[in-house]
Amino acid sequence: QKEVEQDPGPLSVPEGAIVSLNCTYSNSAFQYFMWYRQYSRKGPELLMYTYSSGNKEDGRFTAQVDKSSKYISLFIRDSQPSDSATYLCAMSAEGNTNAGKSTFGDGTTLTVKP
Amino acid sequence: NAGVTQTPKFQVLKTGQSMTLQCAQDMNHEYMSWYRQDPGMGLRLIHYSVGAGITDQGEVPNGYNVSRSTTEDFPLRLLSAAPSQTSVYFCASSSGGPSSPLHFGNGTRLTVT
Repeated sequence: QKEVEQDPGPLSVPEGAIVSLNCTYSNSAFQYFMWYRQYSRKGPELLMYTYSSGNKEDGRFTAQVDKSSKYISLFIRDSQPSDSATYLCAMSAEGNTNAGKSTFGDGTTLTVKP
Repeated sequence: NAGVTQTPKFQVLKTGQSMTLQCAQDMNHEYMSWYRQDPGMGLRLIHYSVGAGITDQGEVPNGYNVSRSTTEDFPLRLLSAAPSQTSVYFCASSSGGPSSPLHFGNGTRLTVT
């Protein structure tokens, strides 16, 4: 069983829709939770970062972490065609030995249609 | 403002050939890592380094070697290419600690025939 499972998609939504992207994990040592966005033929880039449980909002994007359920989500409000990309959840544990080492989900490809 | 630079962008190898994928960063980051990305399998860690002269294995290290002689460079060597190594390879760097985000290059697309 993978440490991080991500809803596979693909997702196709109309412009303006609310999008929900989700990951579950099994390693209770994970404390740092990230969402990366990857455009076609590009490297992933950090979109959102959350430490431990709670919510974080940045413009149209909201990241939620529920450590008791080992479940994280990314919500995109008023989705735009420019949001079309693959979204990867990633997690890492405490400690310098884990620096530079994140465990990634498989990614969900989102298409927002005008 | 280059960030993480990977070369080459594309490469085709025959089975058994060797090659080195280059990675350089100009952000003075201590931590560097190599991932491979395959369809349906996400990003998997191959090797990583926490500083010059220090490297360690990740999740899928077999068939790959690394060294880190400078802070800036972290090359990945394929010793004897196999078709199973056909993938997109990403180099990443971060400034420190598990809370620091990874900065990725744009990848090397490798095909082994």
